[in-house]
Amino acid sequence: DSGVTQTPKHLITATGQRVTLRCSPRSGDLSVYWYQQSLDQGLQFLIQYYNGEERAKGNILERFSAQQFPDLHSELNLSSLELGDSALYFCASSVDVVTGELFFGEGSRLTVL
Amino acid sequence: AQRVTQPEKLLSVFKGAPVELKCNYSYSGSPELFWYVQYSRQRLQLLLRHISRESIKGFTADLNKGETSFHLKKPFAQEEDSAMYYCALRGGSGTYKYIFGTGTRLKVLA
Repeated sequence: DSGVTQTPKHLITATGQRVTLRCSPRSGDLSVYWYQQSLDQGLQFLIQYYNGEERAKGNILERFSAQQFPDLHSELNLSSLELGDSALYFCASSVDVVTGELFFGEGSRLTVL
Repeated sequence: AQRVTQPEKLLSVFKGAPVELKCNYSYSGSPELFWYVQYSRQRLQLLLRHISRESIKGFTADLNKGETSFHLKKPFAQEEDSAMYYCALRGGSGTYKYIFGTGTRLKVLA
């Protein structure tokens, strides 16, 4: 499958901990987007990378960070986790910043206890 | 600031009835508007974009800059249209932030 791949699919951890979510974009896609979806919330835009560089930032907390590596996969690091960080985290990719269509992964469901 | 508003969390219609999913946006420049759909157990996927001005699965959406709206319409709803629909806006000015609304769940009743 050459679609967007996210790991892990499910993650349960405790408050105060740190986790890393991984995203592999579609083959050939240079742009990666991260979104957070909490209960009854829409998709909250966190951050976007294009070919390794940060291009746009949304309401991403300082406790969260991300990066895109030379092989174009991306990681979202969440630290000092709080109960409110429990959410579905989506990664999406696109060929470039102009094309417009986003291709989504299945999401990583994070539960903070 | 960019903002997308979908006022309805849930919309229930009967099969064969017309459907209109509302989307209003706030953006100072010239935005690109999109509708994404998530069917049960499937990934979120693009349904249509305003630039294409096309009809997909019988759905159309017209960008109304005066009313800052991009409502999704279908004249006759089908049961397979039941899904979660998200309106999205992509700005420009070199930032290309891609903002989504909170989504509307469409239920088409038999």
